[in-house]
Amino acid sequence: GESVGLHLPTLSVQEGDNSIINCAYSNSASDYFIWYKQESGKGPQFIIDIRSNMDKRQGQRVTVLLNKTVKHLSLQIAATQPGDSAVYFCAENIWVGDMRFGAGTRLTVKP
Amino acid sequence: NAGVTQTPKFRVLKTGQSMTLLCAQDMNHEYMYWYRQDPGMGLRLIHYSVGEGTTAKGEVPDGYNVSRLKKQNFLLGLESAAPSQTSVYFCASSYSRGHSSYNSPLHFGNGTRLTVT
Repeated sequence: GESVGLHLPTLSVQEGDNSIINCAYSNSASDYFIWYKQESGKGPQFIIDIRSNMDKRQGQRVTVLLNKTVKHLSLQIAATQPGDSAVYFCAENIWVGDMRFGAGTRLTVKP
Repeated sequence: NAGVTQTPKFRVLKTGQSMTLLCAQDMNHEYMYWYRQDPGMGLRLIHYSVGEGTTAKGEVPDGYNVSRLKKQNFLLGLESAAPSQTSVYFCASSYSRGHSSYNSPLHFGNGTRLTVT
């Protein structure tokens, strides 16, 4: 499944499928980007980050892609599991004190 | 290692009352932040601090004050609470000296849910 961040704030996928969550960032001067996961009743938790001199970075089951030409960020989750159900936020950082968060995408994983 | 600890977890205030939200971090981070989270609006920065004794305004500072008297603590004060300040408040910290870049992930606490009636 695929979402477009703010324009489609929910994404529902089948367990085992891959998930793609998209985010459009606002400032071409942003040089650092982060994806966070927020579970109900908890604070946002760091998933993966990427600097502007890269266009792809992989973690455990997650990959972040950065397209600076169109100011677009995506988070790919491989083999989505029920524990991945949460709200996912992208954030762009220009300088300390200037980290902007998207409104988030709610990912629901169906068993 | 507790990370970022916020107290209290819940609070109900009447309009005009005051309170202080407490945040403590044990990661020796230089930077600390206060955000508010409202439905559909993501996280918005209220105030932040780049070191002990320093504070600066974020995106939505009106109605709040902060203090960072000790490196590990960052306090958020509401002098006269208003219903518009009903929200979930998150404290975060980042950046340890010795890292190659100030760009580092924020570590968040689990929030304080505040209701102002």
